[in-house]
Order: sequence, then C-alpha cells, then structure tokens
Amino acid sequence: DSGVTQTPKHLITATGQRVTLRCSPRSGDLSVYWYQQSLDQGLQFLIQYYNGEERAKGNILERFSAQQFPDLHSELNLSSLELGDSALYFCASSVKAGGPTGELFFGEGSRLTVL
Amino acid sequence: AQKITQTQPGMFVQEKEAVTLDCTYDTSDPSYGLFWYKQPSSGEMIFLIYQGSYDQQNATEGRYSLNFQKARKSANLVISASQLGDSAMYFCAMRGTMDSNYQLIWGAGTKLIIKP
Repeated sequence: DSGVTQTPKHLITATGQRVTLRCSPRSGDLSVYWYQQSLDQGLQFLIQYYNGEERAKGNILERFSAQQFPDLHSELNLSSLELGDSALYFCASSVKAGGPTGELFFGEGSRLTVL
Repeated sequence: AQKITQTQPGMFVQEKEAVTLDCTYDTSDPSYGLFWYKQPSSGEMIFLIYQGSYDQQNATEGRYSLNFQKARKSANLVISASQLGDSAMYFCAMRGTMDSNYQLIWGAGTKLIIKP
C-alpha cells in the first residue's frame, strides 16, 4: 500500500459527460501529480500541484482541469469526454516540489471507460 | 534531449532464475535520479528501487538490485530468484531537468512473464 488513495477505482460513462477523479496523497506529501496511461502505453504526465498551487503542466487537454485543496487532496476534472479519454488515470505524490531526486508514490489508479 | 530506452518489449523467464531488465538513458545533467516501477496486470504502479547519479554504490531492495553503470548510461534492474508474482510490466524512469520541472521521463516498459 503506497498510502495514496484514489477514487473511484472504476468509472464508466458516456461521451460528452463530465467526471471528477479524486486523490488523497500520502501523509506529509505536498506534491500531487496526475498521469494518464492509455492502453498498452506509457504514462503521460498531465499536471503537478505543490501545496495548493500548480507547479508544472504536461500534456493536459483544455477539457481537463485539476486543483489541489487546502487539505492537500486533489481532483482531476474531465469534461466533454471522448472515446479516446478512456484510460487509467494515476495520481502520485511526493514530499518535494521538484529536484532531480525523490521517488513518486502512486495510487492504484482510476480506470475510466467512455462509451 | 533526455530519453529513456528499454529495448526489451517482452521477456519470458523460468521461475527461480535471475532476470535482468535493460534500461539506458540519455541526459546531460550531472545530477539525476533513476527509478524502476512495476505494474502488475491489476494496474497499480509500484515503486521498486531508486538510484541517484552520485550514489557510489548500486541500490538494492530485497530481491531487486540496480546495476548502475554511469559511463555507459545504463541502469539495469536485476531481479534475483524470480517468482510467478514478478510477472508484470516494468518501467524505467528518470527525473528530468529543471527545464522540465524535474518531471519523470518514462521508458516504454518491458513485459516480464515468469514461467512455472
């Protein structure tokens, strides 16, 4: 158990809908990262928050948004969903904001299926 | 540009044998971190081992060790005495540069299947 909690674990929805994925980082971790993993592909970095503020942005679509709340949990909002958004969405946390060292600890992921 | 290369898309290994998963990297940064993660079929991403570029000794964590050859820019994962539960995807990753806000750069992964 990594200590990172993601909900829901599975989600099935229709095209055009909006969903919210939730993440609680490990106790004491200030950084939260969101990743997308499509079928048989590697991880694509979406966005990072550190202590409530956006720290870095990756390949996140404009239809997607995220935030980190004062209690450090984070939410990823996906709107106007398309079939291609079906993927495993990971949240990860770390103590540091950045730097060349320091591992990320991942949640179990939220598997989104868009029909 | 920074890059991680895993040249083995898939591997079959007999149970109890040792396994080496290859990873080479490219960076011009003097300070970097290298990571290995395991992703079983259930989907979760499990951190296995970390090697810092300035670490003098190779990292070890139980049955996992990292064969770090800095001059060759390789960071191979060695799993000793493989078990059926080791069957999974394995990803090598590296912390990027300050320009990329030190985001992790991932390899394409190696699918390891342990045969009984």
